Amino acid sequence: SELTQDPAVSVALGQTVRITCQGDSLRNYYASWYQQKPGQAPILVIYGKNNRPSGIPDRFSGSSSGNTASLTITGAQAEDEADYYCNSRDRSGNLPFGGGTKLTVL
Amino acid sequence: QITLKESGPTLVKPTQTLTLTCTFSGFSLRTSGVGVGWIRQPPGKALEWLAVIYWDDDKRYSPSLKSRLTITKDTSKNQVVLTMTNMDPVDTATYFCAQRLFVSGSGWFDPWGQGTLVTVSS
Repeated sequence: SELTQDPAVSVALGQTVRITCQGDSLRNYYASWYQQKPGQAPILVIYGKNNRPSGIPDRFSGSSSGNTASLTITGAQAEDEADYYCNSRDRSGNLPFGGGTKLTVL
Repeated sequence: QITLKESGPTLVKPTQTLTLTCTFSGFSLRTSGVGVGWIRQPPGKALEWLAVIYWDDDKRYSPSLKSRLTITKDTSKNQVVLTMTNMDPVDTATYFCAQRLFVSGSGWFDPWGQGTLVTVSS
């Protein structure tokens, strides 16, 4: 089961950006979202219906509709510039990642 | 505090078998809903899920790599081992392990190890 993301998205500083992830499995399972900065391991930013791990700013939120999961950053900051990956499971228990979205904060 | 750390060779030759160990602390693989997964990332490319093993010894593998992968756990040592056979230069990547949690129908990877770069070259 594949997950599809836009390769690149840009947002003006302080504005709102939505990063999407599409896949059939998302009709049945929530996505989790990961932020990765150059040379670093990914970190979890959203999981479940719309949950943030401790330490993740509340400007990060998640939502889902049909076959699309979305990560929204409300009031993007310079430090949010990174690659973002979605992940979910399929009916077989496989755990594919999306191809990633490079977020540029202008 | 939960930590995971990957270890293994940094250089392997084509056709060799890669063995990577994930040593973790701060959680137990005897706990219901807990697993450990392996994910890799070729230089400049996207994350790719490889395998996961759960507390009940359930295992799942990436369909595209299933024939080459084996994942095992040693709960007494707090370690998970991934073997990948018949290594090729395209397998050059940073290999990460991460805790997999599965709660109320939702799953996620958190936290991640720092990753280990494996280069495949003769």
